[in-house]
Amino acid sequence: DTAVSQTPKYLVTQMGNDKSIKCEQNLGHDTMYWYKQDSKKFLKIMFSYNNKELIINETVPNRFSPKSPDKAHLNLHINSLELGDSAVYFCASSQRDTNTEAFFGQGTRLTVV
Amino acid sequence: GESVGLHLPTLSVQEGDNSIINCAYSNSASDYFIWYKQESGKGPQFIIDIRSNMDKRQGQRVTVLLNKTVKHLSLQIAATQPGDSAVYFCAEKGYGNEKLTFGTGTRLTIIP
Repeated sequence: DTAVSQTPKYLVTQMGNDKSIKCEQNLGHDTMYWYKQDSKKFLKIMFSYNNKELIINETVPNRFSPKSPDKAHLNLHINSLELGDSAVYFCASSQRDTNTEAFFGQGTRLTVV
Repeated sequence: GESVGLHLPTLSVQEGDNSIINCAYSNSASDYFIWYKQESGKGPQFIIDIRSNMDKRQGQRVTVLLNKTVKHLSLQIAATQPGDSAVYFCAEKGYGNEKLTFGTGTRLTIIP
């Protein structure tokens, strides 16, 4: 069983389109994250949700809108895609009260053309 | 945005030798540190962690050292194998802070 699963794994789309990436975790964690990894492998946090509530929002354009229907899911919707949005997006989850490691999904490689 | 100006450090090690990957962190309030391994096309995978009340922790073939005085973290991999080739990241977190902040990463290549 995959602990943190993201779909799709690859996404190629044209500028201006709207797309969504889905994430689900079956670890029973209460906190989920979205990270962006650029071409130089730099990993930067975008958002974090705890029990469906937004707790971290790191200067991300408002074209990016996370949605957490329940604590096991955190989806990322991106409006009006731009070339600079091309990157690998990682979902992760952790358990807040244990202050332990975050578990990462396999990533979604987004290419905007 | 993009990590303009930052380059991924690289380290090449002969198979069977030991390797040491270093990381400097900036937040003196961080009290939990993690090393992750990222193989090509995969997500970061947990290797080992250490809390600020320790200065050394050992796992299977890996050892993490923490020097809080100079805010430095290192990962030692003993008897390296080809499967150890990957990008390694250190990450830090403060107590009560959900934000896990990653370092720039180091690409380790094991030479057969």
